[in-house]
Amino acid sequence: AQRVTQPEKLLSVFKGAPVELKCNYSYSGSPELFWYVQYSRQRLQLLLRHISRESIKGFTADLNKGETSFHLKKPFAQEEDSAMYYCALSEPSNTGKLIFGQGTTLQVKP
Amino acid sequence: GAGVSQSPSNKVTEKGKDVELRCDPISGHTALYWYRQSLGQGLEFLIYFQGNSAPDKSGLPSDRFSAERTGGSVSTLTIQRTQQEDSAVYLCASSLVLQTPAFFGQGTRLTVV
Repeated sequence: AQRVTQPEKLLSVFKGAPVELKCNYSYSGSPELFWYVQYSRQRLQLLLRHISRESIKGFTADLNKGETSFHLKKPFAQEEDSAMYYCALSEPSNTGKLIFGQGTTLQVKP
Repeated sequence: GAGVSQSPSNKVTEKGKDVELRCDPISGHTALYWYRQSLGQGLEFLIYFQGNSAPDKSGLPSDRFSAERTGGSVSTLTIQRTQQEDSAVYLCASSLVLQTPAFFGQGTRLTVV
């Protein structure tokens, strides 16, 4: 069955420290992977997608098919990065349907 | 407005009553998606529309849930005979073509008492 696992409910780091939000997936095939972010009292929004190989707000994520992981990383956390982060996957043939992980709250302390 | 708009923002209803949730997508967006966010289940896919048709209804939790979209624009999610487990934030998103949604609405917080 398709599944996305984010093992950490809460990740707390100090400003300037590196951040890695973990995401593992279960899927037989080549899914598309995404990270979404929801800042406090704001709307859920797409942060980045693996096919774009982009860096958004200093965040990057590499798809590791061998480890079935798609961890989100940032070398130096900022206080404004504090938010809820969701990892998600979709089937290439059914891009309208996302399967989300349970989310990780990132707390960046001053 | 420029974003996806949902109404009402909050809805409190009594168990057993029917509710209708509305989503106004971004103008010109042909694809529309419904998700819900609850404490117990996290973010769950419900249904999506391409134009007025819904190719994938697999996420609707039960036959009490239905959705329609008319004129390729506004969509309504209807929950009949609401139950307490229906309490959640219902999110809508839209996109220009069928693809991973980037723009979500602010959600409708449904509380069934």
